[in-house]
Parts: sequence; C-alpha cells; structure tokens
Amino acid sequence: DTAVSQTPKYLVTQMGNDKSIKCEQNLGHDTMYWYKQDSKKFLKIMFSYNNKELIINETVPNRFSPKSPDKAHLNLHINSLELGDSAVYFCASSQEGGYGAAQYFGPGTRLTVL
Amino acid sequence: KQEVTQIPAALSVPEGENLVLNCSFTDSAIYNLQWFRQDPGKGLTSLLLIQSSQREQTSGRLNASLDKSSGRSTLYIAASQPGDSATYLCAVGAGSYQLTFGKGTKLSVIP
Repeated sequence: DTAVSQTPKYLVTQMGNDKSIKCEQNLGHDTMYWYKQDSKKFLKIMFSYNNKELIINETVPNRFSPKSPDKAHLNLHINSLELGDSAVYFCASSQEGGYGAAQYFGPGTRLTVL
Repeated sequence: KQEVTQIPAALSVPEGENLVLNCSFTDSAIYNLQWFRQDPGKGLTSLLLIQSSQREQTSGRLNASLDKSSGRSTLYIAASQPGDSATYLCAVGAGSYQLTFGKGTKLSVIP
C-alpha cells in the first residue's frame, strides 16, 4: 500500500497557467509538508500543516497556496506559473510534527514550466 | 539559521568496501537527524532516524551516529553493494515541523 501518494507524477505546462498537485497519506499522520527540490537537487521546506492548520510558510510566493481539506490530504495550488517554478515537489507526512518525528515522503511531482 | 553540509558531494567505491558518509550542522539544538536515500527520478526513502537523545541507530548494514555537541553525524555502510548506489541525504529536525536538508552525497558502488 502506498503510504504517501502524489498526483500527477509529471506536469508540463505553459507560463501563466494555474495548476494543482494533490497529496494523500494513509498513515494516519497529523502533519503534512510540501518540499521543493530545485535543479541543483537541493530540498527545501515550503509549507507544513498540522491538523489542517498552516504552521510554516517559508518565504514562498503567495502564488503558492496549500489547501488541506482534511488531515489526510494536502494539495498545492500554484497560480500564474513562472519558469523558476520548474522543480520536483515532494509531499511528506509525520506523526508528530513539533518534535521532529520521522517524515515519510511521496514519490514527487516533476513540474516543468515552458 | 540551521545549515547542513554533507561531504563528500560524490563518492565512488568498489563493491564490498565499507564506507562513511559525513553530515555536519551548525545549530546543535536539534530534535532529531534523519538519513534518506534518493534514487534517480524517485522520492526519498527514510533509512534511519536518530533522536537527539540517542548516539546511534542501526538497520542491517547501515549504522548512523550522532554527536550533537560537535554538530556531526555519520552514516556507515558496511560491505557496499551496487544496489546501494544512490544519493544519500542528511536532514536535521531543528525546529517545529520542518527538516533542513543537506545537498546530499552521490554514492556509486562499482561492481
């Protein structure tokens, strides 16, 4: 069974479009995250949600808006896509976010903006 | 601001060799440290998690150590195999709800 799943796996789109990436976890975890891995393979936190509430927003442009309809889902919506948004986006989850529980990652969504 | 450094950036070893990957972090006030493996085009697989109160964790041929006071962790891989070839990422849990990652060590095990 897939613990953390993301859709789509690949996303190719034009500049200026709006797109969404979905994430679901079936681990019963309380906290979910979005990370961005850039072309140099550096992974950086974008957002973290605990029990459907936003905890971290790490200097991410407001074109990025996470939405958590319930504890098991954290979707990422991106408006007015730019070339620099091209990256791999990873969703993750953990049981207890505040004290550094192990995080489990999804397979990633490779976003290419043309 | 926490910074995580991994050395070397790339490592190539013959099959069967034991090896050590290094990770250092600037702020010793951490909750835990997690080692991941990333295969090309794939997600991250959690290998080992060391809580701040622990000194080491072992899983099979892998052993991770943590020295919080000096800001260092090592990942020891015994009897390396070609299937161990991947990028190994160190990540520090040093604040609420987030991991800070190093840039990784790309390991190639030559048959």
